[in-house]
This record gives sequence, C-alpha cells and structure tokens, in this order.
Amino acid sequence: ETGVTQSPTHLIKTRGQQVTLRCSSQSGHNTVSWYQQALGQGPQFIFQYYREEENGRGNFPPRFSGLQFPNYSSELNVNALELDDSALYLCASSDGTGGWNTEAFFGQGTRLTVV
Amino acid sequence: GEDVEQSLFLSVREGDSSVINCTYTDSSSTYLYWYKQEPGAGLQLLTYIFSNMDMKQDQRLTVLLNKKDKHLSLRIADTQTGDSAIYFCAESASKIIFGSGTRLSIRP
Repeated sequence: ETGVTQSPTHLIKTRGQQVTLRCSSQSGHNTVSWYQQALGQGPQFIFQYYREEENGRGNFPPRFSGLQFPNYSSELNVNALELDDSALYLCASSDGTGGWNTEAFFGQGTRLTVV
Repeated sequence: GEDVEQSLFLSVREGDSSVINCTYTDSSSTYLYWYKQEPGAGLQLLTYIFSNMDMKQDQRLTVLLNKKDKHLSLRIADTQTGDSAIYFCAESASKIIFGSGTRLSIRP
C-alpha cells in the first residue's frame, strides 16, 4: 500500500470520447506525475504538477491535460480518444520541490481501453 | 536525448543471483531507480541510488553504478519465485525516464 489511490481501476471508452482519470496523492505529498504505460513498454512521462501548476510535460499532444487541486489530488483528462490511448495510466506522488525526491510512490493505475 | 535501455528477458535458477543491467544517457541524472512491477499491479520502488554513489546494498539487493559508462545494475541475491516480475530501471533529472523493463523469470 503506497497511499496513492487511482480511480477507476478499469475503463472502456469509445474512440472520440473524453475521459477523466483521478489520483489521490499520498498525504503530505505536493507533487503528482502522470505516466502512460502501453502494453509491454515502460511508463512514459505525460506531465507533472507541483502545487497546482504544471511543472514539466512529456511528448504528449494537448488533448492530454491535467489539474491539481488544493489538496494535491489530481486529474488527467484525455479528449478525442484514439485507439492508441489504450494503456495503463499511472499516477505517482512525491514530496519534492518540483523535481523528483528519492521516493515517488505509484498508484495501482487505471487500465483504459479504447474501442 | 534521454534514453534508458535494458535487456528484455532474464531467466535464473531459484537460489542463484540475478543481475539486471541498464544503460542510460542523461549524465545530469541525480537519482537512478529500480522499480518492480508484478502482473496487474503498479510500480513498486525497490531501491534507488544517488548519482555520486558507486554502490548501495539493501538486504538481498545490491545496486552498482558506473557513472563514467552510464551503467547501472541490480543484483538480487538468492533469487526466489516471488522475485518474478518486470524490473524497470529509471533515471531522473527533471522527470523520471524509464527503460522498457526486464522480465525476470525463475526456474526451479
């Protein structure tokens, strides 16, 4: 148990739809990062939020967007879903200064399937 | 650019040592990590090493870092069936970059 919870655990959406994934960070952690893990691949960095501001972004199109709330929980939104968006989406929280501390705790992930 | 490479598969006999290797490219990485992922699960941080260290030992785990060659290894002593998983090497500077993972299988 890492204290990082993600919801939902599984989700099926149709191409073109929009989806919102949620992450509750570990208590006291102010930094949340989102990763996309396609089948058989390592996680790919989507973006990071530090104290409610986006603090770094990977090579993902603008239809991937996010929010961080005052309690440091976070949402990942994906618009105009494509089949290739099917993946495990992982959220990680840490108590950093906007970079990476020694311990980043990952949630169990949300498995998104786009059909 | 930033890149982390690992071999895809490793098979070892139960009780032997497992050595998983990784190379990375970003010389400004401050931390290097090893994560474990079991089927259907998220990522579990196994251990990490700060970039100014050469070695770190934590129970059955030994991490070796050769900063000159940008090579990182994870040794698991007395490998058990519960060690079967995918192991990810990762480097961090401004964000964490993961390798594609090494699938460790244990044979009796």
